[in-house]
Amino acid sequence: KAGVTQTPRYLIKTRGQQVTLSCSPISGHRSVSWYQQTPGQGLQFLFEYFSETQRNKGNFPGRFSGRQFSNSRSEMNVSTLELGDSALYLCASSLEGRGAYNSPLHFGNGTRLTVT
Amino acid sequence: QQQVKQSPQSLIVQKGGISIINCAYENTAFDYFPWYQQFPGKGPALLIAIRPDVSEKKEGRFTISFNKRAKQFSLHIMDSQPGDSATYFCAASRGGATNKLIFGTGTLLAVQP
Repeated sequence: KAGVTQTPRYLIKTRGQQVTLSCSPISGHRSVSWYQQTPGQGLQFLFEYFSETQRNKGNFPGRFSGRQFSNSRSEMNVSTLELGDSALYLCASSLEGRGAYNSPLHFGNGTRLTVT
Repeated sequence: QQQVKQSPQSLIVQKGGISIINCAYENTAFDYFPWYQQFPGKGPALLIAIRPDVSEKKEGRFTISFNKRAKQFSLHIMDSQPGDSATYFCAASRGGATNKLIFGTGTLLAVQP
């Protein structure tokens, strides 16, 4: 079974631009979560989606947004990029939306975003 | 109250030794405590997890010890191997309600041959 697929793997953008990252969950998984990983802040929760609905949102500015499609694939968008947005963005999928205990998270290998 | 404190930041262990990583939390609403292992260039992978109704869980060489009263939990890696060299993250969440995990800051483990 294929794992969580994130595209692209690497991305370089200029400050002020916007970016869209894509995530394909494990086949059959209906819940997708996004995390930001940086050396300074570690792993921080961005959002959680289940059946196309955002169920939870982390403490990030409105420039960070996401959505989930009917096939469970998800995208996240960052507008007006800042240097501090440089990070590894990780997508995690789970079978259901009944919480991490009932349906463990499986992470992809991330998209490395560099903002110059 | 949302923080999970993890120590040590880095750890060097000889092959065959025991690696111990500790975490502490404040929020008593947390009821799910997973450990993730991350290799360079890869995403975190779930290693083992525990809920507060048990004090210990063992899977192969990996054991979680949980102290609900002290709000602390730890990962023990027995017979540590060079292939265990990775970054380890503890996390906590209200596991029955959300996929939002609060992660510790990570421990870089190096197992020397």
